[in-house]
Amino acid sequence: DAKTTQPNSMESNEEEPVHLPCNHSTISGTDYIHWYRQLPSQGPEYVIHGLTSNVNNRMASLAIAEDRKSSTLILHRATLRDAAVYYCIPTNTGNQFYFGTGTSLTVIP
Amino acid sequence: NAGVTQTPKFQVLKTGQSMTLQCAQDMNHEYMSWYRQDPGMGLRLIHYSVGAGITDQGEVPNGYNVSRSTTEDFPLRLLSAAPSQTSVYFCASSSPSVGEKLFFGSGTQLSVL
Repeated sequence: DAKTTQPNSMESNEEEPVHLPCNHSTISGTDYIHWYRQLPSQGPEYVIHGLTSNVNNRMASLAIAEDRKSSTLILHRATLRDAAVYYCIPTNTGNQFYFGTGTSLTVIP
Repeated sequence: NAGVTQTPKFQVLKTGQSMTLQCAQDMNHEYMSWYRQDPGMGLRLIHYSVGAGITDQGEVPNGYNVSRSTTEDFPLRLLSAAPSQTSVYFCASSSPSVGEKLFFGSGTQLSVL
């Protein structure tokens, strides 16, 4: 399994963009990079995933470095509802996800 | 669709007791998995299944048993509860048909005294 390194915590002002980084230098060529978030007292929820190209959806954008050793989750306008723990998970299976400790995002009104 | 349903939501056990955490999904997903989350920690994979009749161990399988007799259900059995198993337990399902995104249940808070 690819090891990941994420900041323990980050802060953002409401309505400003947030860039959440993740290092995964041991990622394999077939690993997709998944991002999940966990709101307080809830189970994790899917945010976005990608392989090589940058990806966008209604929740966020995912920027993947050309060498794939790092990625950045971008929330374009942070809201209070985005306060959560964000997990970066490289994996090539749909049934084994290894969560690290993630980044706890605080959104300041 | 109800999605992934976990029961019970809360449970208190005494050391040495056994119990089964229930997990059911109505999305016809092939993959199901169990995670535990200790306070301030990320989720750790206990057991997973890629289909009915097929299960395998994750990171922290000791003290837990699973079986998968149907596509819908994936119960987690604690054989002899220990205080170290106090945790929040999450069940998840996924499928290649949905891009292998994990769908989680709302969790079971288990306390072992």
